[in-house]
Amino acid sequence: GAVVSQHPSRVICKSGTSVKIECRSLDFQATTMFWYRQFPKQSLMLMATSNEGSKATYEQGVEKDKFLINHASLTLSTLTVTSAHPEDSSFYICSARDRGATNSPLHFGNGTRLTVT
Amino acid sequence: ILNVEQSPQSLHVQEGDSTNFTCSFPSSNFYALHWYRWETAKSPEALFVMTLNGDEKKKGRISATLNTKEGYSYLYIKGSQPEDSATYLCAFTNDYKLSFGAGTTVTVRA
Repeated sequence: GAVVSQHPSRVICKSGTSVKIECRSLDFQATTMFWYRQFPKQSLMLMATSNEGSKATYEQGVEKDKFLINHASLTLSTLTVTSAHPEDSSFYICSARDRGATNSPLHFGNGTRLTVT
Repeated sequence: ILNVEQSPQSLHVQEGDSTNFTCSFPSSNFYALHWYRWETAKSPEALFVMTLNGDEKKKGRISATLNTKEGYSYLYIKGSQPEDSATYLCAFTNDYKLSFGAGTTVTVRA
């Protein structure tokens, strides 16, 4: 089956530093990847849609300069949390489709637990 | 942001018993309804993608129904086993983006 690898699984950083999270599709090509964030006891909230070779599409309320997304190849998307602050502490998870059809299921990474101290 | 509600938030079921829980979603501009199972320390795994009103899908002891006119889907687990313990997420889409519910966490007691 389609596999998505996400790294790191856990990261602790100091306030003001930047953190990069990688999301790779291992056995399929993903023209589109989705980045979600989840706060405790809440649902997965879509942050942005990452499109290979073009700019990401951000959801309302998500700062594009704060959460930099790069999708330079068909198998890799990265999310960089710039100048992280404690309120950015959350669970971040990426997903991708291995086919273009919008009714095909998403394949998820294992997620990244970010703690900003 | 599309309002997707799952109920209950959590439930406990005795091994061998059957259970079900719901997902409600907007009934307008429906495209697809997804169900995922999310076990602790793993990634969410797709169970079903349902697109037609009246759809019923089955995977082993797990099945799902869909009513797009009234905006709800049921997920059923028959003869629950400890390995069924997980959070079950539903997600609604009316285009290419999915809006998720907060999930129903199922704990199966041996």
